Amino acid sequence: QVQLVESGGGVVQPGRSLRLSCAASGFTFSNYVMHWVRQAPGKGLEWVAVISYDETYRVYTESVKGRFTISRDNGGDTLFLQMSSLTPEDTAVYFCARGGEPWTGITAAQYWGQGTLVTVSS
Amino acid sequence: DIQMTQSPSTLSASVGDRVTITCRASQSVSIWVAWYQQKLGKAPKLLIYGASNLEGGAPSRFSGTGSGTEFTLTISSLQPDDFATYYCQQYSSYFSHTFGQGTKLEI
Repeated sequence: QVQLVESGGGVVQPGRSLRLSCAASGFTFSNYVMHWVRQAPGKGLEWVAVISYDETYRVYTESVKGRFTISRDNGGDTLFLQMSSLTPEDTAVYFCARGGEPWTGITAAQYWGQGTLVTVSS
Repeated sequence: DIQMTQSPSTLSASVGDRVTITCRASQSVSIWVAWYQQKLGKAPKLLIYGASNLEGGAPSRFSGTGSGTEFTLTISSLQPDDFATYYCQQYSSYFSHTFGQGTKLEI
């Protein structure tokens, strides 16, 4: 069955960096777009970034452009989110999610991980 | 960027009620809208994709309609397990994915 397991969250000081990972299993990872979505405490869902199945495109929400980098290792079935210049506003649970249809970015997020909490605080 | 305006933000209802949640896009997104259910402390769960397609395993009491800029999620007869927060999302291009603000459905 499809599994997505995030890791790498924790407490980090403002201005520092953190890298999140999402280990995928149960499907052909290299066929699907992958997303990062976050949820600040008590708030709604915010889409963060998407990467195409072949890494030809990477798209970010405006608030993280230039600070976050999404990448993937199709050989190791892992998605990453490199976060730098973190601010308290980046405090959230970060979910990775898989697109529902292969080979396209125009697809809903069908499978989700359980999330990893990032807390930015001094 | 395409904005998704979801209403209401909170909805009070009872078991057995029929409820409707609305999402309006700031520009046409064709049929590329999904609806998710999220319970406290859990990951979102896909209910509807392509505006009206029921995700496998989702109960048939959930249905979605709409195209262009107006979309609705309807629950035909509320069950106790349905009290949760619901989000719409547009995914009309490779470069655009936006969630609505959410609707908390409470007893």
